[in-house]
Order: sequence, then C-alpha cells, then structure tokens
Amino acid sequence: AQTVTQSQPEMSVQEAETVTLSCTYDTSESDYYLFWYKQPPSRQMILVIRQEAYKQQNATENRFSVNFQKAAKSFSLKISDSQLGDAAMYFCAYRSGIQGAQKLVFGQGTRLTINP
Amino acid sequence: KAGVTQTPRYLIKTRGQQVTLSCSPISGHRSVSWYQQTPGQGLQFLFEYFSETQRNKGNFPGRFSGRQFSNSRSEMNVSTLELGDSALYLCASSLDPTGMNTEAFFGQGTRLTVV
Repeated sequence: AQTVTQSQPEMSVQEAETVTLSCTYDTSESDYYLFWYKQPPSRQMILVIRQEAYKQQNATENRFSVNFQKAAKSFSLKISDSQLGDAAMYFCAYRSGIQGAQKLVFGQGTRLTINP
Repeated sequence: KAGVTQTPRYLIKTRGQQVTLSCSPISGHRSVSWYQQTPGQGLQFLFEYFSETQRNKGNFPGRFSGRQFSNSRSEMNVSTLELGDSALYLCASSLDPTGMNTEAFFGQGTRLTVV
C-alpha cells in the first residue's frame, strides 16, 4: 500500500519570503501522480500543483513549484513571495497511475502560517 | 460553472441514528469519491463511484455505504452512528476517470457531529 508522509506539522514564514514544505512517499508503482492541495479555513480542498511521475521536469504554477526527486521518493513544495492568503493546511497526495484510479492517499498535512 | 455541492453543510446526530449525505458533482463529471477527515486519522478514502458502480472502497466498516445515481449525484449513508464517526466528510468529482489527466475537485464538505 502507498503511504505519504509530511514530517512538518506546522510551518511559519514571513510575508514575501520563501517557504518549502516537505513530503515523502512510498510506492512500488512506477507510474503515478503527486499533488499538493491547500485547505483554507473554508475547508474546501484546492489543487495547488500536480506532478506526473514520468515527467522529469518539476511542475511550476506561478509562485508555487515542486522539487520532485523520484529516486528519493520526495516531493516538496516551494512557495515564493508568500502572501497572507497562502495561510492554510497543505496536503501532499498520491494517486496511482493505473487507468481509472481515483483514490488519493493523503499525508497528515502541514499548517502554514504567514506572519505579516 | 457550479462546483461540487455537498449538502447539508452541518449535521448533528445522536449515537445509533443513521445519516445520509449528498454530493452533486460538477456538471459532466462522472466519478465521485468520498473522504473522511478527522484530526486523528487525517484524510481517509471511503469509496469511489463511476457510472452508478462502486469501483473502489477504503477500509471502513459496512456501516458506511454509498450509491450513485444516473445523473452522477452521489449519496453516502452511515448507519448506527458512533461518536467516532464525527468528522468532515468530503466529496470529490472527476471528469473522466478513464483518462490520464483528470483532476479531483472537492466540495466544501459536510461537518457531521455525533452526540
């Protein structure tokens, strides 16, 4: 079974600074997807960024980027120029690459605080 | 385009009762998944439905069940409620689960409190 581990229960950063959230995972599959989701106080899970395991290039979405190390099974999220609106719980998630697979396996989450 | 809609948003039930939660996916989305979120266990997969069929199931007791209708709307039912069932229940929908580039879009959840 796949597992996802987020070792930082809480992180804080000064507004406009850069922060990196860590995530490691365990799988025997070679084809899979990795995601970072954000859950603000409104509770709705919002997709931040995704990474296909077969792609060597790290995904980037505006201020958000990942460092995907497939051999190390590591998938960290870097947030640049942190904004107050980035404060939320962040979840790392894994999904099998088997066609039709929809089950997401989540890490325990990291609570990110932005200090003004 | 409307997002994933979950009803009700909040629910308080008594131990031993049963409850039904509803999820309306994004229009055109055919796959619906359910997750339970608790402080202790985090986010756990309950089950996934596609074309009215349960395709995958998590490790939950048989008291947890679900179904999907022909319009892709889904319901989940919990019978004989226990205090430990208190949680945020999240629903997610996906456009085409047979494709390789589908995203899961989540609703705002139903907060169930069992007293």
